[in-house]
Order: sequence, then C-alpha cells, then structure tokens
Amino acid sequence: DAGVTQSPTHLIKTRGQQVTLRCSPKSGHDTVSWYQQALGQGPQFIFQYYEEEERQRGNFPDRFSGHQFPNYSSELNVNALLLGDSALYLCASSSRDTLIFYEQYFGPGTRLTVT
Amino acid sequence: AQSVTQLDSQVPVFEEAPVELRCNYSSSVSVYLFWYVQYPNQGLQLLLKYLSGSTLVKGINGFEAEFNKSQTSFHLRKPSVHISDTAEYFCAVSRFTGGGNKLTFGTGTQLKVEL
Repeated sequence: DAGVTQSPTHLIKTRGQQVTLRCSPKSGHDTVSWYQQALGQGPQFIFQYYEEEERQRGNFPDRFSGHQFPNYSSELNVNALLLGDSALYLCASSSRDTLIFYEQYFGPGTRLTVT
Repeated sequence: AQSVTQLDSQVPVFEEAPVELRCNYSSSVSVYLFWYVQYPNQGLQLLLKYLSGSTLVKGINGFEAEFNKSQTSFHLRKPSVHISDTAEYFCAVSRFTGGGNKLTFGTGTQLKVEL
C-alpha cells in the first residue's frame, strides 16, 4: 500500500521565481492538504482540496495556489518567491468518506530553499 | 479559533526512564486530538489519536495519551523510552470548520533520549 508521495525531494530557487510541488495521496484517499513547516516550527496549514476544489484555506497570501486533479493528486504553486518561503512543504491526505476522515497521513515533504 | 500549546520545547531523558510530553489545547467546541512524531529530515508519522470513546488512547511504539476535557489537555506518555524515540513530537487538534478539517499544530517538543 503506497503512502503519500511528494516530488521533488529538494529544490533550490531564486527570489522572484515560481515553483510547483507535487503530491500523490495515499491509496483510497480523496482529500489533500498542504502545510508549510519553517525550521524549528510546527507545520502551518496552507489549504485543503477535495473534489478538485479548494475547501479550506489558512492564512497564506494569494501567491500560494493549488490544484487537485481527477486522480486526487495535487500541486502547490508558489509565485514571486521570497526568502521567507524557504521551508519544508508537507502534503497530507485523508479520506472524506470514512469515519477516520480526521486522520491525515503525511508525505516525506519537499525541502524548498530560496536564495 | 483553536490553538495548541506544548509547554516544553526540549525534554531530555535517560534510556528506560518514563517520559511525559505535555499538550494543552484551546477551543470553544469539541475537537479531535493527535500526536505526530517527526524524525530528522522526514515527514510526520501519526502516533495516536483521540476521536471519541475511551479517554486513554494507545498508539504505536508503546506511546499512550490521556484526553482530559476539564483540563483541556492531551499529554503523551511512555513508561520506558528507547534511544530510537529521539525525535520531534507535535500535538495537533482538528475539527470540521469552513469546509475542511485542517490540523492546528503546537510548536513541538524535542525528545532527546540519552544513555
């Protein structure tokens, strides 16, 4: 049973550039959430996708956008990168159709460094 | 709004000693509670969860936690730790609001097990 997968593992970008991170949910899951974890901090919620729509959003600027595809995989896009966007980006998946909807399973993350 | 406080940023303990990691939450409504573990350069792994039922929940790797509604706490315990338990531990809360079930994390507790 494949867990949550993310790509790439590491990424280095320059200020002002744009980046796209990818996530495939755990088999059987239909909901994908994205979190940003700065060094030494707890993860912060960015947004959640279900049925290809953004269902909930955290306190992040519009530079952060996402997409969910019919196969439930998801992308996180960040435009006009700032140094402060350097962080570990975590994808989590869950199943909205079960009693364990509140259990979110995390991928290994993508380490983004902005120089 | 919901929030989580992890009172200890670091907890050093000797191998085979017991340990307790403290977590308090704030919410005006019922929430679901979780503990996650993060090993260096990895994603988050679900240790245990409280969704309903018995207030004492058991998780993986010998960890357990007790939900105390009157004290709004969800402390994590292990009777005898091992070197391999050295990691960052995050307490989190969730509830369905605004179309989604985002996780709100504490700032984490670094557990360091020493010989």
